[in-house]
Amino acid sequence: SSELTQDPAVSVALGQTVRITCQGDSLRSYYASWYQQKPGQAPVLVIYGKNNRPSGIPDRFSGSSSGNTASLTITGAQAEDEADYYCNSRDSSGIYVVFGGGTKLTVL
Amino acid sequence: QLQLQESGPGLVKPSETLSLTCTVSGGSISSSSYYWGWIRQPPGKGLEWIGSIYYSGSTYYNPSLKSRVTISVDTSKNQFSLKLSSVTAADTAVYYCARHVWQQLVLYFQHWGQGTLVTVSS
Repeated sequence: SSELTQDPAVSVALGQTVRITCQGDSLRSYYASWYQQKPGQAPVLVIYGKNNRPSGIPDRFSGSSSGNTASLTITGAQAEDEADYYCNSRDSSGIYVVFGGGTKLTVL
Repeated sequence: QLQLQESGPGLVKPSETLSLTCTVSGGSISSSSYYWGWIRQPPGKGLEWIGSIYYSGSTYYNPSLKSRVTISVDTSKNQFSLKLSSVTAADTAVYYCARHVWQQLVLYFQHWGQGTLVTVSS
């Protein structure tokens, strides 16, 4: 089991807004980063730090955090956003690296 | 542009040692700003951090794998390597190498290799 908990699956209608969450005690102290993974491909970083997007990531992706929960929000979801999304941070000891179990996003 | 490429056997026998190398191009592995990590993903499952290394040789391992993992760096070849001993079928996975930032409040994996599937089977 992971120290970062994600809902296994989430769906969103095309063009609507969806929030994917990640819970864990370590998130009270450390930021989460978020990755998008499409079938057969390596993960791609989409959000890191407080709310930073790497070059090339659309601005419909944003991040936020409150208490022990980090969130990835996609505003105006597109068909190409259908993918698995993983959060990542330190574990509760602050020493090691952990990933959430992943959320499968379906765009209807 | 930074590129990472995993290489190594795609098939390993049970109880043997899995060995992979990640070759970095387009950037120096000796940069003081980054760490270099290994992550794996069993078929149909999520991501698992295996461990990371700094160019100086400092290593950090997943506690659940620590007794079987060795990560090393060769700055002269701009490569870092993974060895996982006493493998079983549960170690069958796509193995990724990646460059990451590891700061006080944030860590993130910026660049990933394409991944290589390693199957453990006799």
